[in-house]
Amino acid sequence: NAGVTQTPKFRILKIGQSMTLQCAQDMNHNYMYWYRQDPGMGLKLIYYSVGAGITDKGEVPNGYNVSRSTTEDFPLRLELAAPSQTSVYFCASSLRGPAEAFFGQGTRLTVV
Amino acid sequence: GESVGLHLPTLSVQEGDNSIINCAYSNSASDYFIWYKQESGKGPQFIIDIRSNMDKRQGQRVTVLLNKTVKHLSLQIAATQPGDSAVYFCAESFTGTASKLTFGTGTRLQVTL
Repeated sequence: NAGVTQTPKFRILKIGQSMTLQCAQDMNHNYMYWYRQDPGMGLKLIYYSVGAGITDKGEVPNGYNVSRSTTEDFPLRLELAAPSQTSVYFCASSLRGPAEAFFGQGTRLTVV
Repeated sequence: GESVGLHLPTLSVQEGDNSIINCAYSNSASDYFIWYKQESGKGPQFIIDIRSNMDKRQGQRVTVLLNKTVKHLSLQIAATQPGDSAVYFCAESFTGTASKLTFGTGTRLQVTL
C-alpha cells in the first residue's frame, strides 16, 4: 500500500515554463488536496476535489490548474511559472474530509 | 482575513518532560480543529483532532484542549521523546467549508537529552 505518491520530488523551472506535478493515491479516497508550504510557514490550500470530476478553488489558486478524471489521480498544473511559485507542494487525500488526511512526501519546486 | 496562529515559534523540552504547544484561532465559526506533526523533509502527519462540542480529547500520549471562550487550542505531549522533535501545526475549519483547512505557522519542538 503506497499511500499518496508525488512526483517529481525536486524540480527547477525557468520563469515562464510549464509543468505538471503528479499525485496518485491507492486508498480509494474521495477527497484530494493540493497545498503549498513556503519556508517557515504553514500550508495553504491551492485546490481540492471531493470526487472524480469535481474540483474547487482553495485559498491560493491563481497560477494553477487541476483536473480529477479518476479517483486515484489529482495532477496540479503550473502554466507560466513565476518565482513566487517557489515552494514545497504537498498532495493529500482523505476518505471523507480533511480529517486524518494522508500527505505525500512533497515536491520541492524552485523557479529561477 | 481570519487566521490561525501560534504563540511560540520554538519550544525546547527535556526528554521525559511534558510539552505544551499552544495555538490561537480567530475565526469564531470554526468548529473543527486538527493537530499535525511534520518531521523534516516529510509531509504533515495527523496527530489528533477535536470538534467544538468537546473541550478535551485524549490520544496515545497526546491530549488536545479546546477553550472556545478565548479561542485557544493546545496540544499536550506526555513524556516527550526525541522522536517527538518536529514542527507542529494546528489547523481549523468550519462546517460550511468542511474541505478547507486553515493552517497556523507552526511551532518547532526540540527535545533535548
